[in-house]
Amino acid sequence: AQKITQTQPGMFVQEKEAVTLDCTYDTSDPSYGLFWYKQPSSGEMIFLIYQGSYDQQNATEGRYSLNFQKARKSANLVISASQLGDSAMYFCAMRGGSGGYNKLIFGAGTRLAVHP
Amino acid sequence: ETGVTQSPTHLIKTRGQQVTLRCSSQSGHNTVSWYQQALGQGPQFIFQYYREEENGRGNFPPRFSGLQFPNYSSELNVNALELDDSALYLCASIFSPARDRGDYGYTFGSGTRLTVV
Repeated sequence: AQKITQTQPGMFVQEKEAVTLDCTYDTSDPSYGLFWYKQPSSGEMIFLIYQGSYDQQNATEGRYSLNFQKARKSANLVISASQLGDSAMYFCAMRGGSGGYNKLIFGAGTRLAVHP
Repeated sequence: ETGVTQSPTHLIKTRGQQVTLRCSSQSGHNTVSWYQQALGQGPQFIFQYYREEENGRGNFPPRFSGLQFPNYSSELNVNALELDDSALYLCASIFSPARDRGDYGYTFGSGTRLTVV
């Protein structure tokens, strides 16, 4: 069965510092995609970054980078130079399977608090 | 701006009532999926529609049903509401996060927060 595990219920970081949010996944599919979403208190699920299972390089999007370690089945999100506006819930998700359109499986999330 | 619009933003219903939530995608993609997010949890997949037909369903009872229209708008209907149906309901549309590889992902609307009393 496919599963996403986020072991950090909450994280604190000082403004302008970097922070790593952990995510491990379990799947037997050879092809899958990994996503990180940010959810502020307003509720909207905001797409941050994507990593395909066959990607050789780690994905980067501005201040966000994904530390993809396929053998360890981990896909940690690194946020550099944290800003106060980064305070939110962060969800790791996986899209599994090949052919057709497949659902996303989410982890329980990590609440990030950025302190001035 | 995600291109996915949901209405209403908030809703309060009484146990036993029926509710309809709506979603529209500016992108015009022919696949839409719905998720339920209970307080303090990650979203859970309810079902997915492709070309107006349900082509995938999560672990939700039949009183959760949906429709997709030719203009790619969608509805989520919940009958016989229960207190545990109180949640944020998210609609998602397909998008391409890696255009050169043909991969696909999901972009979400802002959600409808349903409270059942």
